[in-house]
Amino acid sequence: GAVVSQHPSRVICKSGTSVKIECRSLDFQATTMFWYRQFPKKSLMLMATSNEGSKATYEQGVEKDKFLINHASLTLSTLTVTSAHPEDSSFYICSARDLRHNEQFFGPGTRLTVL
Amino acid sequence: QKEVEQNSGPLSVPEGAIASLNCTYSDRGSQSFFWYRQYSGKSPELIMSIYSNGDKEDGRFTAQLNKASQYVSLLIRDSQPSDSATYLCAVNPGGSYIPTFGRGTSLIVHP
Repeated sequence: GAVVSQHPSRVICKSGTSVKIECRSLDFQATTMFWYRQFPKKSLMLMATSNEGSKATYEQGVEKDKFLINHASLTLSTLTVTSAHPEDSSFYICSARDLRHNEQFFGPGTRLTVL
Repeated sequence: QKEVEQNSGPLSVPEGAIASLNCTYSDRGSQSFFWYRQYSGKSPELIMSIYSNGDKEDGRFTAQLNKASQYVSLLIRDSQPSDSATYLCAVNPGGSYIPTFGRGTSLIVHP
């Protein structure tokens, strides 16, 4: 299957700081990437759909000014959690859609802990 | 609202048995169906995709799709303890490339 990388894998930050997470498709071009959040023992929650060269589409209840998404190239999307607070602590996972096979591949995830 | 339903489990099977995981979906126009495996603390990993009615086999895994009955299933033959994980069913509703995920079924394979 296609490979998606995500960086960093784990981050601990102080309340009020901003954190940037990178998602890269390594061996295919991804016009669409997705950002999910998952709390312990809970299901995946789609936060936003990111299309290359255009603004992201956010799911209901997700603050676009808090979770900034940039998809500047066909292989890179970034999620910036601005002014992070302890309640933002979660497992953030990106995925990229491989048009060749109409399949979606997930990155390894980023575990964010806000102190 | 497009829905994908899975029994949360846990489904417990002995090693070597066949594990059967089921998923139903509400949108009759759905065309693409996927099974993912997620180990605790890890991200989901794509196991199978299926688009046509019938069975699709890949190693010990078989996906079964019945569009008339709106269900898709995953069979795992010769289950191993390493298969213990949560299995997520994902469905692309008709006209959309954004999948809807089920809540997942927890599978436990005991020695």
